Amino acid sequence: NAGVTQTPKFRVLKTGQSMTLLCAQDMNHEYMYWYRQDPGMGLRLIHYSVGEGTTAKGEVPDGYNVSRLKKQNFLLGLESAAPSQTSVYFCASTQTVKGTQYFGPGTRLLVL
Amino acid sequence: ILNVEQSPQSLHVQEGDSTNFTCSFPSSNFYALHWYRWETAKSPEALFVMTLNGDEKKKGRISATLNTKEGYSYLYIKGSQPEDSATYLCALTPPTGTASKLTFGTGTRLQVTL
Repeated sequence: NAGVTQTPKFRVLKTGQSMTLLCAQDMNHEYMYWYRQDPGMGLRLIHYSVGEGTTAKGEVPDGYNVSRLKKQNFLLGLESAAPSQTSVYFCASTQTVKGTQYFGPGTRLLVL
Repeated sequence: ILNVEQSPQSLHVQEGDSTNFTCSFPSSNFYALHWYRWETAKSPEALFVMTLNGDEKKKGRISATLNTKEGYSYLYIKGSQPEDSATYLCALTPPTGTASKLTFGTGTRLQVTL
């Protein structure tokens, strides 16, 4: 059972480039989330999804877009990367409203 | 935006010491309180979810209590071991229309040395 996986594990981008981060879960969870983790800031919610075909903004959505075309996948896109988007990105999923969230291993992104 | 505060920011103890951390949150805006353990270079791993005032949870040497009326939770580690070294995160699910969105504190970083 793979749980939550993230692709890629590490990426270096130049300012202005675009990329997509993929999150996949095999637990049939309804809810999925994208967080970013920065030193001294804790985990902050970027976007989330309450089910296939739905997305919503979190605390820090600017500069990011998401899609949930399939229940098991949640994609995070950066259309024009900026150095301020250098961070570690974590995906998570859960089945119930107050339930434990299961996290992926993280994607480390460096924008030069 | 919810304010979830954790203290201390970091802690350094000797093997065998018992220790505890605090998570504070707005008592009026509560649905569930989560504790996560986060080892360096790994992903956060859930320890406990608590919802009721007075809840106590235990997992091995780690336990947690919840006071929703005054807005705090304590995490205790009895007889700390080097493998307990990690950052301990507290997170809050607020009550309504939340889709289980978590607001995280910045964590307490624990280092246990021999």
